[in-house]
Amino acid sequence: AQRVTQPEKLLSVFKGAPVELKCNYSYSGSPELFWYVQYSRQRLQLLLRHISRESIKGFTADLNKGETSFHLKKPFAQEEDSAMYYCALAETSGSRLTFGEGTQLTVNP
Amino acid sequence: EPEVTQTPSHQVTQMGQEVILRCVPISNHLYFYWYRQILGQKVEFLVSFYNNEISEKSEIFDDQFSVERPDGSNFTLKIRSTKLEDSAMYFCASSDRQDEQYFGPGTRLTVT
Repeated sequence: AQRVTQPEKLLSVFKGAPVELKCNYSYSGSPELFWYVQYSRQRLQLLLRHISRESIKGFTADLNKGETSFHLKKPFAQEEDSAMYYCALAETSGSRLTFGEGTQLTVNP
Repeated sequence: EPEVTQTPSHQVTQMGQEVILRCVPISNHLYFYWYRQILGQKVEFLVSFYNNEISEKSEIFDDQFSVERPDGSNFTLKIRSTKLEDSAMYFCASSDRQDEQYFGPGTRLTVT
């Protein structure tokens, strides 16, 4: 069965500092990995998906199949990055998403 | 930009009552999903729906739950006889297969 783990429930950094939100997964095949973000009082929205290999709002995430990780990184955090971040896995496009527990990121001024 | 909408935003119901949660997916999307998040826990998949039938469901989605697309625009989740442990945030999502799942704002269900 697939599983997604985000070991940090809370992460606090200062503005301008680098940030890394950790995500590990277990799945026997080749999954699709995503990062979703939920800003205060807003809906879940897609931030990144590994197959597009984009940088969105300065965030990047690299799929490491050897370590089964998909960590989210940003070199210089901004206050507006404060939000709940969820790592998620899907077996194929369109299939169910399995979410991690989420990491609440707070960027302090 | 089109969005998934959900009504009501908050529903309070008594244990044992039936409740229907409503969702309007994005109009050209063909795949629909329900997820739930119990307070302090993960977002969990309940069910996916395509071509007027359930395509996948989780172990949570037992006989008390049902889904329907009654009129080509709404997508509903019915809980026949609510339990206290059904209290959660329920999210609807839709996608057009090759793209991301777009989530609604959620319905907070409180069972008393």
